[in-house]
Amino acid sequence: EAQVTQNPRYLITVTGKKLTVTCSQNMNHEYMSWYRQDPGLGLRQIYYSMNVEVTDKGDVPEGYKVSRKEKRNFPLILESPSPNQTSLYFCASSIAGRTSTSETQYFGPGTRLLVL
Amino acid sequence: AQKVTQAQTEISVVEKEDVTLDCVYETRDTTYYLFWYKQPPSGELVFLIRRNSFDEQNEISGRYSWNFQKSTSSFNFTITASQVVDSAVYFCALSEAWDSSYKLIFGSGTRLLVRP
Repeated sequence: EAQVTQNPRYLITVTGKKLTVTCSQNMNHEYMSWYRQDPGLGLRQIYYSMNVEVTDKGDVPEGYKVSRKEKRNFPLILESPSPNQTSLYFCASSIAGRTSTSETQYFGPGTRLLVL
Repeated sequence: AQKVTQAQTEISVVEKEDVTLDCVYETRDTTYYLFWYKQPPSGELVFLIRRNSFDEQNEISGRYSWNFQKSTSSFNFTITASQVVDSAVYFCALSEAWDSSYKLIFGSGTRLLVRP
């Protein structure tokens, strides 16, 4: 089954304790992206990656890091989490390129993070 | 600047009623893409439809239909004969062809409650 998976699905942590949220897709997609969802704000892009070893900042990158060492994986790293990073996080993937309707971004199930 | 507005924060209807969710977008790009996603109570994001800016044909899929009007920059979503399972938050989103980040610009979402 074609899917994007994220782990963990729920996480409670404390300020300053480094954490990683994993994202993996089995569709051989070049493009992957991270979003955060906050009430009243919709979803905002944190980082994105066009392919292996190619990553760039989105609209709200502060406090986050990413890496893309393999095509299928795109982990999100919070080196020193703070309470304002409490949010619902989504990973997404798609084919890169704008020539077909298959460019739709497919989302993972979400990771709900609480930073105390 | 690009923007997506979903002015209806919350809508409540009784089962079998028709309901329309409004979406108004702003973009300077002539080539862009519009999306609708559904977020049920379980939290995942489910892709519903993708539309190109040069294709103004309305689309129907079962009880769902979409009305794309470039003249009013709107991409409205109608559910006919609503059902309790339609209860969810619905997001409208925009991506622009010139934007190399491929990011989706989301509206703030409309929460739909369908009462039995």
